[in-house]
Amino acid sequence: SQQGEEDPQALSIQEGENATMNCSYKTSINNLQWYRQNSGRGLVHLILIRSNEREKHSGRLRVTLDTSKKSSSLLITASRAADTASYFCAPRGTNAGKSTFGDGTTLTVKP
Amino acid sequence: GAGVSQSPSNKVTEKGKDVELRCDPISGHTALYWYRQSLGQGLEFLIYFQGNSAPDKSGLPSDRFSAERTGGSVSTLTIQRTQQEDSAVYLCASSSQQGAHETQYFGPGTRLLVL
Repeated sequence: SQQGEEDPQALSIQEGENATMNCSYKTSINNLQWYRQNSGRGLVHLILIRSNEREKHSGRLRVTLDTSKKSSSLLITASRAADTASYFCAPRGTNAGKSTFGDGTTLTVKP
Repeated sequence: GAGVSQSPSNKVTEKGKDVELRCDPISGHTALYWYRQSLGQGLEFLIYFQGNSAPDKSGLPSDRFSAERTGGSVSTLTIQRTQQEDSAVYLCASSSQQGAHETQYFGPGTRLLVL
């Protein structure tokens, strides 16, 4: 199985600022996914980056991947109060098998 | 069709009672996960079903916890003799396991409170 570790545990910023969250993992991956969770509800898939990609964009989200360092980062630009949530990464290896989650990064965006 | 659904959405029970939590995955999804999340904490993996394979029960915290998945679809998580520390949100997720490109789709969770 694969599990990512998110850093920092908590992040608090002002609306309009950028938020950067990091993910580290230990095994070789085929892709890495980021999920978001609002206030104890289910997680929602945000973006997937493949191992042969270094950067990917989706709206205000920018994800980078450094397979040599086994790390990824999620950048949210021009943050909004509605971005307040917990963010989780999920590395996926080449073998099918369960993918679990770490403790996430809790982002608070102050209006 | 519909996403993952869970029932009940909220459950309040007394210590020592048994509870059953239900998960209806997305039709056709072969993989199903149960997680537990205590207030302000991350997700704790409980159990994983994949097709007809034996479930991965490595995350179940004690023998009071069990889960079934009948007919490869609906799953029930049972907690026997509930304790106050069992209070948490129980999340179910399903996926169409296609090699490494798995995306988990989560239900809204069941909020369990043991008094």
